[in-house]
Amino acid sequence: EIVMTQSPATLSVSPGERATLFCRASLSVNSNLAWYQQKPGQAPRLLIYDTSSRVSGTPARFSGSGSGAEFTLTITSLQSEDFATYYCQQYNKWPLTFGPGTKVDTK
Amino acid sequence: QVQLVQSGAEVKKHGSSVKVSCKASGGTFNSDTFSWVRQAPGQGLEWIGGIIVMFGMANYAPNFRGRLIVTADRSTNMVYMELSSLRSDDTAVYYCARNGDPTMAVVGANYFDYWGQGTPVTISS
Repeated sequence: EIVMTQSPATLSVSPGERATLFCRASLSVNSNLAWYQQKPGQAPRLLIYDTSSRVSGTPARFSGSGSGAEFTLTITSLQSEDFATYYCQQYNKWPLTFGPGTKVDTK
Repeated sequence: QVQLVQSGAEVKKHGSSVKVSCKASGGTFNSDTFSWVRQAPGQGLEWIGGIIVMFGMANYAPNFRGRLIVTADRSTNMVYMELSSLRSDDTAVYYCARNGDPTMAVVGANYFDYWGQGTPVTISS
């Protein structure tokens, strides 16, 4: 199966700053990459699919980029509600797999 | 608006089975594909299996074959997962989730656009 890694494990950011999260796949996943946001005690919420397509309701400050095996989620001007854990997920090859997550917390 | 509502928390004995339900509403159930994803305490997300409702065709992650059964009831818009031979490392929150791309009716190779609220399952010895 494809192994997903994410870095950093924890990212400490001040409100209003930019956050850049990285996701790497052990093999190319083409553009079949999604990002989820999860807050404590809640289910994951889909933010982005197909590498860069925002789901309806995802603020424009969230953007995804990359291709092949290297991907980035950028959050410009972090808001208080953005502090959460973010997971990437590949769905190019069965079985789908998730990264271990990046926790974004307050500096 | 699609909603997935799951059954309540479970506490089970080691070696027993657990069955969790997921009630779907607001979507096109018969055309949908659903999966189960679990999350152990403080850990990440793990896909365990799912089902294409139209065909009743289930598929399972390799580590769960023989121990997991996923079914769907088209008359009640319910999806179920039953995990047997429970052990301590099955303690987790179990989520049902719907495939986000309806053009890819594949279990285990899609992203998820709607999730249930999660069902905590605790295995006691």
